[in-house]
Amino acid sequence: DAGVIQSPRHEVTEMGQEVTLRCKPISGHNSLFWYRQTMMRGLELLIYFNNNVPIDDSGMPEDRFSAKMPNASFSTLKIQPSEPRDSAVYFCASSRRDSGGELFFGEGSRLTVL
Amino acid sequence: DQQVKQNSPSLSVQEGRISILNCDYTNSMFDYFLWYKKYPAEGPTFLISISSIKDKNEDGRFTVFLNKSAKHLSLHIVPSQPGDSAVYFCAASDGRDDKIIFGKGTRLHILP
Repeated sequence: DAGVIQSPRHEVTEMGQEVTLRCKPISGHNSLFWYRQTMMRGLELLIYFNNNVPIDDSGMPEDRFSAKMPNASFSTLKIQPSEPRDSAVYFCASSRRDSGGELFFGEGSRLTVL
Repeated sequence: DQQVKQNSPSLSVQEGRISILNCDYTNSMFDYFLWYKKYPAEGPTFLISISSIKDKNEDGRFTVFLNKSAKHLSLHIVPSQPGDSAVYFCAASDGRDDKIIFGKGTRLHILP
């Protein structure tokens, strides 16, 4: 069975540009999470969805960040406009309700904003 | 404010010896704790977990200990092997929802 699929794996962009990161969760998983990893803050939870509905977006740093989950098999994290301090690795993860909290992570999208 | 704290950014251990990774938490509502392992250029993968009703959980070479009164947990790896070199994340949840909070991670180096 395919794992969580994220794209792009690497993105280099210039300050001010729009960035869209994509995620396909594992089929049958009903929760989806977006995390950001930086040296200073480790793995930060940005937002998570249950059954495609955003439940907690308190970790989204600013209005420049937005996330959507239009259906059970797709989610996007958008940054507009991007800034150099947004440079990080962004992970998507999914889980099943009865999985005991075990998250399955994608390989991450490494974003560099120049 | 960090609710899950891993105060050691890195740790080096001789192959064959015991590796002990520590984690502290501040939220007394946390009732489920997990450890994840991460290799470079990969996503974290689940390693082992423990519920707050237990104080120890063992899985092969990996054992997690929980001290609720001290709000402290630790991961023991024995014996340590070269493939254990990775970043280890401690994580916790409070059972009210699906939110899982991670620490900053500890990079473990297993020395030959």
